[in-house]
Amino acid sequence: EVQLVESGGGLVQPGGSLRLSCAASGFTFSSYEMNWVRQAPGKGLEWVSYISSSGSTIYYADSVKGRFTISRDNAKNSLYLQMNSLRAEDTAVYYCARDEGLLYYFDYWGQGTLVTVSS
Amino acid sequence: DIQMTQSPSSLSASVGDRVTITCRASQSISSYLNWYQQKPGKAPKLLIYAASSLQSGVPSRFSGSGSGTDFTLTISSLQPEDFATYYCQQSYSTPGITFGQGTRLEIK
Repeated sequence: EVQLVESGGGLVQPGGSLRLSCAASGFTFSSYEMNWVRQAPGKGLEWVSYISSSGSTIYYADSVKGRFTISRDNAKNSLYLQMNSLRAEDTAVYYCARDEGLLYYFDYWGQGTLVTVSS
Repeated sequence: DIQMTQSPSSLSASVGDRVTITCRASQSISSYLNWYQQKPGKAPKLLIYAASSLQSGVPSRFSGSGSGTDFTLTISSLQPEDFATYYCQQSYSTPGITFGQGTRLEIK
């Protein structure tokens, strides 16, 4: 059974940093591209970042470019999102999502982790 | 970025009704259109990919159609568990994947 479990969310002050993790199991993690998608409270879904299976190709949404860094450790079956210079508008539930790879749809999602940026 | 516009934003319907949700792209996206269902406090769930392909395990009352800029998600006979929020997503422009604003389906 495919499982994605996020962790690392919490309350952080504006300008602060946080590192999210996503532990994958039930599939060959190193063969799949991965993404982070977020959802602000009461709002819709926003794609945040993409990483290829090897980690060699990375993309970011303009809203987080230069502040967030996506990475992965295929030996540990884990995906990460390092978030720096956090702003109030980064407050959201952050989901990791497996990318199907050819048609770029997200076939499995984690349960999400809440990040709250507030003083 | 490609803008995705869903209509309606909210919809009230009864169990057994046939429901259609529309998604329009700001430019042609061929068939790179996917649909997700999200229930309160839960992660989104993939329903339809490539405009009309049913994801494994999804009931056959869900169907998708369209290509180019106009797409529809149809639920042929609403069940109590179908009341949720539905999102379309374009995967034609990568990077730059975008979602529609969502359609909230409520019980009448």
